[in-house]
This record gives sequence, structure tokens and C-alpha cells, in this order.
Amino acid sequence: DADVTQTPRNRITKTGKRIMLECSQTKGHDRMYWYRQDPGLGLRLIYYSFDVKDINKGEISDGYSVSRQAQAKFSLSLESAIPNQTALYFCATSGLGLAGVNEQFFGPGTRLTVL
Amino acid sequence: GENVEQHPSTLSVQEGDSAVIKCTYSDSASNYFPWYKQELGKGPQLIIDIRSNVGEKKDQRIAVTLNKTAKHFSLHITETQPEDSAVYFCAAGSGYSTLTFGKGTMLLVSP
Repeated sequence: DADVTQTPRNRITKTGKRIMLECSQTKGHDRMYWYRQDPGLGLRLIYYSFDVKDINKGEISDGYSVSRQAQAKFSLSLESAIPNQTALYFCATSGLGLAGVNEQFFGPGTRLTVL
Repeated sequence: GENVEQHPSTLSVQEGDSAVIKCTYSDSASNYFPWYKQELGKGPQLIIDIRSNVGEKKDQRIAVTLNKTAKHFSLHITETQPEDSAVYFCAAGSGYSTLTFGKGTMLLVSP
């Protein structure tokens, strides 16, 4: 089984709808992240959480919210989806490895289309 | 905050040639520099990383070099193969912060 799973893998929705993307991990990591990927723009950080009680905004948090339900679960919500939120969304996890490095493990992604 | 620039955005090579992707970063506090490979339809996967106390690291056909003074690091792939075709991302950060990613390089290796 995959270490980091995302559901759904694909979603088409309409402007104004509320959408939740879910992420689960079995790696036992404390840190979890949500990224957005757009062509030519790379991976941009939306929100991150360093433990269950910790939530932090990333570079592009406007229009998004998150919930860390447990160490293994981190959800991303779009309260009122708009077309420019059409993108590929990735969840990632990390734990502190040797010497404090921060290797991140990514899920397979969710392709979201907002019409 | 950290800013990572990555070049080129696309790179086409013939099978067997070498490929080099370059990145620069802005925050002198960054001490961890990973490279990720993203194949079509998949999430990014770590292929090699380097820490600030090391100038070069090799793993078979791939190598990464780091120049902390100039704040730049590079990925070198030798003897490229068609299966090396993918999008490659560099990133910079530290164990106590998040990672900042470059915009990516699409590498195409032609047989």
C-alpha cells in the first residue's frame, strides 16, 4: 500500500461549490503539507502542519483552509471554489531525519477542475 | 523568505548525452538541497539531496554539486536514457523550516 494517499484522484466541480481533498499517511511522520502545482509555476505551498495542533499558512493560502484531524490525516478545503483554483494538488509528509534534514514524501496528487 | 530560481525550463538531449540543471537560492540559512523527479501522472520523488557541509554527492549516473558561497547548486545526469525523461525540481530549505521549490525543468531524452 502507498505510504501517502490522496482522495479523490480526480474531481470536477462548479464555481461556488465547497470541496474537500483528503490526505492520509502511514509513514508515522509528524509534518504534513499541501502544495499546488500549475504548469510553469512549480510547486507552491498552501498550508503546512508540523504536528496535530500546529497549522501554518504557506505562500498561497488565500481561498483555502485545512484541518489536521490526526497525525495521519490532513485535509484541504476550498470553501467556495473558483476557476483559477483548477490545478494539481499534492499532499506531502516529512519527518526529521539525520542531522535535521527534511525529506518530503509526496502523494499521487488530486487533479481538480473548477468549471 | 527563500527564493529558488531554476534553469532551464526545458531541456532536450540525445540518449547518452549529459544533462545539467542549475538552481540558485537566496537564503543563506538554507542547508538542505534536494532534487525531485516527477514522472507523468505521479507525485514528485526524491532522487538525490545534498547538505551544506558537502560540496558534491554522486549516486550512479546522477550527481549534485553545491557552491554555498555563490548560492547555487546543480544536478548532473550522465549517460541519459529515455526513462530519465521527466520534470525535475530543485528545492532549498532546512530541517527546521519548509522547502521552497524551483519552477521545474522538463527533460526530454530522445532515443
